Amino acid sequence: EDKVVQSPLSLVVHEGDTVTLNCSYEVTNFRSLLWYKQEKKAPTFLFMLTSSGIEKKSGRLSSILDKKELFSILNITATQTGDSAVYLCAVEQGGATNKLIFGTGTLLAVQP
Amino acid sequence: EPEVTQTPSHQVTQMGQEVILRCVPISNHLYFYWYRQILGQKVEFLVSFYNNEISEKSEIFDDQFSVERPDGSNFTLKIRSTKLEDSAMYFCASGGRDRGIRGYTFGSGTRLTVV
Repeated sequence: EDKVVQSPLSLVVHEGDTVTLNCSYEVTNFRSLLWYKQEKKAPTFLFMLTSSGIEKKSGRLSSILDKKELFSILNITATQTGDSAVYLCAVEQGGATNKLIFGTGTLLAVQP
Repeated sequence: EPEVTQTPSHQVTQMGQEVILRCVPISNHLYFYWYRQILGQKVEFLVSFYNNEISEKSEIFDDQFSVERPDGSNFTLKIRSTKLEDSAMYFCASGGRDRGIRGYTFGSGTRLTVV
C-alpha cells in the first residue's frame, strides 16, 4: 500500500528557532515530492522535488530529497509566528493521473 | 497570482440530499482533481479529470459521486445522496504544463456538513 509518513506530528518552538520536518514515503511509480503549507484552508505550494540531493530554497525555507532512502526534509530557519501552520508532504504518483498521496501533516506552532 | 475558486465555502445539508460543489480551476490548466479531508485526518484523493474524462478514481469515489466539466471553466463534484460520513472539507485542485515548477494549485475548499 502506498504511504507517506510525516514526523513529528506536532511541534512547538519559539521564534528564532530552526525546525526540521520529516517526510518518508513508500509510493509506487514515484514522480515527485511536494511540500505544502496549510494555514486555514487551502494548501499553498512550497516546493516540488524530483531529483535527489538538490536543495530547493525559498527565503528561510529549504528542502531536500533523498530518493535512495525515500525521504525528504523541510527546514525552516529563524522561525516566525507567521510560520505557524500545518506542513503537508505529498508524493506525486506518475501515470495518467499524477495524483498526490498526502501524509498526515506536521502541525507547527511558533510562539513569540 | 491565478487562483482556484471554490463555492460555497460552507454547506450544510440533510442526510440523503444531493449536493453540488463547484470549482473554477485556473483557466489554462489541464489536470483537475477533487480531494477531501475529514476533520483531523489526511487529505485523500477522490478523482482526477483530464481531457474531459475521469482518468482515475479512488475507492471512496463510488456511484454516489460524479464529476462534470460542463462548460470548459467550471468543474463540479456531485454527491447524489449524502451520508453522515461525507462530512469533510472538499478541495479542488488543478495543474498545468508548468506543474513541474509550480506544483498543483488548491482552492480554499468547501466544508460540507451532513446532518
